[in-house]
Amino acid sequence: QKEVEQNSGPLSVPEGAIASLNCTYSDRGSQSFFWYRQYSGKSPELIMFIYSNGDKEDGRFTAQLNKASQYVSLLIRDSQPSDSATYLCAVNGAGGFKTIFGAGTRLFVKA
Amino acid sequence: DVKVTQSSRYLVKRTGEKVFLECVQDMDHENMFWYRQDPGLGLRLIYFSYDVKMKEKGDIPEGYSVSREKKERFSLILESASTNQTSMYLCASSLSGGVAGPYEQYFGPGTRLTVT
Repeated sequence: QKEVEQNSGPLSVPEGAIASLNCTYSDRGSQSFFWYRQYSGKSPELIMFIYSNGDKEDGRFTAQLNKASQYVSLLIRDSQPSDSATYLCAVNGAGGFKTIFGAGTRLFVKA
Repeated sequence: DVKVTQSSRYLVKRTGEKVFLECVQDMDHENMFWYRQDPGLGLRLIYFSYDVKMKEKGDIPEGYSVSREKKERFSLILESASTNQTSMYLCASSLSGGVAGPYEQYFGPGTRLTVT
């Protein structure tokens, strides 16, 4: 079992719809969770981080964390073609220096 | 604004050459990381450093070494380049997060290395 799992996609949604990206992780002691966006040919950039159970909203983005079920998700409301990218879920393992990245989900937003 | 720079965007080297990739960050971050990214495999950690002269192996350290003589600079060395080291190499830095692990990472633009 991979430590951080994401559906590779591609996930295709129409413009204006809600895109839902999911991630599961195996280390129950993980404390910090991140979502990065990576455009083709570019390096990852942070969208959001979340540390506590529940929802965290930032503009059109909402991160959701459920530690009991060991999943974290990212919702993108009012999706735009400019949101088309690969979204990487990242999780800090308990007590260590390492951040484990998922392989990413490719999102296409159709105009 | 955090800035992480890498010495080259594109690099072509021959098998057996010694290759140096350099990374510099300007935000006084304690942690620095080297990853390689390959299609379908995602980001894989090669080495990281949590302080000057300190280094820890990541998931795929074989064939690589690192050097951190100054806080802002972290170098990745391919001792004898091989074709299976053809990849995108990404450097990142972050503040230390203590027991919760590193804070969010800031990535450099990447170096696409081709070994022929």
